[in-house]
Amino acid sequence: DTEVTQTPKHLVMGMTNKKSLKCEQHMGHRAMYWYKQKAKKPPELMFVYSYEKLSINESVPSRFSPECPNSSLLNLHLHALQPEDSALYLCASSSQQGALNQPQHFGDGTRLSIL
Amino acid sequence: TQLLEQSPQFLSIQEGENLTVYCNSSSVFSSLQWYRQEPGEGPVLLVTVVTGGEVKKLKRLTFQFGDARKDSSLHITAAQPGDTGLYLCAGSGGGSNYKLTFGKGTLLTVNP
Repeated sequence: DTEVTQTPKHLVMGMTNKKSLKCEQHMGHRAMYWYKQKAKKPPELMFVYSYEKLSINESVPSRFSPECPNSSLLNLHLHALQPEDSALYLCASSSQQGALNQPQHFGDGTRLSIL
Repeated sequence: TQLLEQSPQFLSIQEGENLTVYCNSSSVFSSLQWYRQEPGEGPVLLVTVVTGGEVKKLKRLTFQFGDARKDSSLHITAAQPGDTGLYLCAGSGGGSNYKLTFGKGTLLTVNP
């Protein structure tokens, strides 16, 4: 069982909808990540939060809006998505951003489909 | 930009065979992780290697980190259908942001 919990597991939404993806970890990790993954491809980094502050935005379109309410929670707010945004969205955490030898632990992801 | 070249991209073998997956780079990595991902799930960490020349064993899986910390390999002995999945190597560099650099993945199918 993964220690990073993501909800919902599946999400289908229209291009005009607003929805949010949620991620929670209770490992005391201070770095949290959002990734986008297409089928049979490696994950692509979207955002990194370090100590609840956004430290990396990989030039992600503004229709994706991350939020880190506290050290255990990470949200990804979605609005006006495009069909090409359909993918598996993965959350990960690590003890600290940049800490040597501290790997990232992934959740099982949210499978997002845009109609 | 750091790159990790992972090969082979696809591998289909029979149960009981051995296999090796390679990750190579021209860059030095501080550490390298190997993950396995099954359909509908997130990547699961298998191992982290940090020391040049390091060898780690996990049951039938043997992981090696190159002496210069630029390459790594994963060897599976006597593969089983349960080993089927997408294997990803990911390196942590020495840059200021310590982003993970992923290889393109190896999709392994072990046929019974």
